[in-house]
Amino acid sequence: SQQGEEDPQALSIQEGENATMNCSYKTSINNLQWYRQNSGRGLVHLILIRSNEREKHSGRLRVTLDTSKKSSSLLITASRAADTASYFCATDFPWEAGANSKLTFGKGITLSVRP
Amino acid sequence: GAVVSQHPSRVICKSGTSVKIECRSLDFQATTMFWYRQFPKKSLMLMATSNEGSKATYEQGVEKDKFLINHASLTLSTLTVTSAHPEDSSFYICSARRGGRTKRTQYFGPGTRLLVL
Repeated sequence: SQQGEEDPQALSIQEGENATMNCSYKTSINNLQWYRQNSGRGLVHLILIRSNEREKHSGRLRVTLDTSKKSSSLLITASRAADTASYFCATDFPWEAGANSKLTFGKGITLSVRP
Repeated sequence: GAVVSQHPSRVICKSGTSVKIECRSLDFQATTMFWYRQFPKKSLMLMATSNEGSKATYEQGVEKDKFLINHASLTLSTLTVTSAHPEDSSFYICSARRGGRTKRTQYFGPGTRLLVL
């Protein structure tokens, strides 16, 4: 089953507003990452937050992580029409000896920013 | 930044034929590459993980004889969909990660859209 589950599934906002997207997961993680995907394109890595971090900023992005609740949020401030895309959270499982860690993606959130 | 390319970007083939998709890391050496498939409006599903010079590790439910993965060098991995059928039509995305256990970030290719008629 999916490790990450985002909500809402779809979000429509006006340009200039803030967009908040949430992600919940089920097992312990090494880190959690957020990606963006424009329609029909590959994924662009936005930000990584480690399991021992609680908040991280990158430009207009702010990510929080609550390991006790197994949840994360991505905030995009002062949204722009160009932010319209699908956003995915992905969890990176802890290392096992000799094994690869791997990302497990949520179903994604479709963000529409109206000009 | 790290760049990963895929070729072709889209391919249409007849049922029963085989299709090869290439994934290249252009400016770094990728000891590990990943192959995903994505259905419309759905999440990415990991198909397999490949380490350079060794056999790929397939996820449960993925047929290794149907989806052949070769990671021949530190900059190239290929996915061959053998005897393709319409249900194999999908968006295939690769990603690459630099060597070392501290290197967590995966860099994704632009994807390959496969349509099997």
